[in-house]
Amino acid sequence: SAVISQKPSRDICQRGTSLTIQCQVDSQVTMMFWYRQQPGQSLTLIATANQGSEATYESGFVIDKFPISRPNLTFSTLTVSNMSPEDSSIYLCSVPRAASPDTQYFGPGTRLTVL
Amino acid sequence: AQSVAQPEDQVNVAEGNPLTVKCTYSVSGNPYLFWYVQYPNRGLQFLLKYITGDNLVKGSYGFEAEFNKSQTSFHLKKPSALVSDSALYFCAVRLNTGFQKLVFGTGTRLLVSP
Repeated sequence: SAVISQKPSRDICQRGTSLTIQCQVDSQVTMMFWYRQQPGQSLTLIATANQGSEATYESGFVIDKFPISRPNLTFSTLTVSNMSPEDSSIYLCSVPRAASPDTQYFGPGTRLTVL
Repeated sequence: AQSVAQPEDQVNVAEGNPLTVKCTYSVSGNPYLFWYVQYPNRGLQFLLKYITGDNLVKGSYGFEAEFNKSQTSFHLKKPSALVSDSALYFCAVRLNTGFQKLVFGTGTRLLVSP
């Protein structure tokens, strides 16, 4: 399976501030995905990040709130902007692997608490 | 809309007994179905998938799942539960779009008692 790391693993932030979450993969991948898991809830896709193009956002998520960068084939960032307590969630990145392109592998997640 | 449903919020089973975690799906075309497990304070781990072929799929940690097209189900099973299997289990379906978007069920918490 893929080795996927995320930084930070957790953070506690004040409302109105922004946090940038990093996702690093041990091999080159075309697509990276960002998901949100609100407390006690399932996972919801925020956006799909392709290298060299703008991210594609799902309904209910906008670039101004969740800007994404994808500077190369092994790295992506998700920023949670102007945070409110409702943004408290686990944020996960995932990638399909070249050896098993139908399957997404997930990073360990970033647990965000907004006060 | 394509979706998966996990009708049970929680499943309780005694160690050594067989377990079943239920999942039903609603998709157009042929479904790509997945099971993931989430242990406390950890990310999602892939367990198994059904793409095509045999209806009984075997995966990690002794888990298996049976694809049933007529019942549109993909239940996760294990012959003998372990306490260490206690975790949150998610069923997911891949949508038939250009991107590999996954839609997840609401999750089922499995509690295995000693």
